[in-house]
Amino acid sequence: AQSVTQLGSHVSVSEGALVLLRCNYSSSVPPYLFWYVQYPNQGLQLLLKYTSAATLVKGINGFEAEFKKSETSFHLTKPSAHMSDAAEYFCAVSERGGGFKTIFGAGTRLFVKA
Amino acid sequence: DTAVSQTPKYLVTQMGNDKSIKCEQNLGHDTMYWYKQDSKKFLKIMFSYNNKELIINETVPNRFSPKSPDKAHLNLHINSLELGDSAVYFCASSQDRGIAGYTFGSGTRLTVV
Repeated sequence: AQSVTQLGSHVSVSEGALVLLRCNYSSSVPPYLFWYVQYPNQGLQLLLKYTSAATLVKGINGFEAEFKKSETSFHLTKPSAHMSDAAEYFCAVSERGGGFKTIFGAGTRLFVKA
Repeated sequence: DTAVSQTPKYLVTQMGNDKSIKCEQNLGHDTMYWYKQDSKKFLKIMFSYNNKELIINETVPNRFSPKSPDKAHLNLHINSLELGDSAVYFCASSQDRGIAGYTFGSGTRLTVV
């Protein structure tokens, strides 16, 4: 069965600094991997997805993530944090052929300091 | 037009009551889901319907019953509400077994008092 672990429930960065949110997954077959963002009192919004094409995936708002099979990781990065990036970020995994079920990580809250 | 819309946005009710949450999507997706988000932000899948057929039914109390009258609608009825049911409930939809990701509604915050 698939699972996903997000390292760090809270991450704090200064505005303009690198954002790095860590995600490791477990899956018995090649997975589909996702990052979602949730702003306060809103639903989740898809940031980016990995579905077996390029291992470096670019998403919205300047975010990108790299799929590393050897490390079973899918870390999310952004070169320069903006105040508007402050939100909750969720990594998620869905197994190929697993049919419809996506499992979410516990989330990482990103704080951006001025 | 909102892609996935849920009603109501807020629901405050007393223990023991029965309530329903409605969800509609206008994206033409063939699969819809209910997720529960607890106070620690943890998201847990509850149910999923594909073209009106129930395909995911996680370990959820029998008091929760989903209904999908057509592939654009998925409702959640909860009987005999308990304090522990307080949470945010999210509806989502997807196409192609979700490989393109989900589109979420804005959530229904249920508070049981």
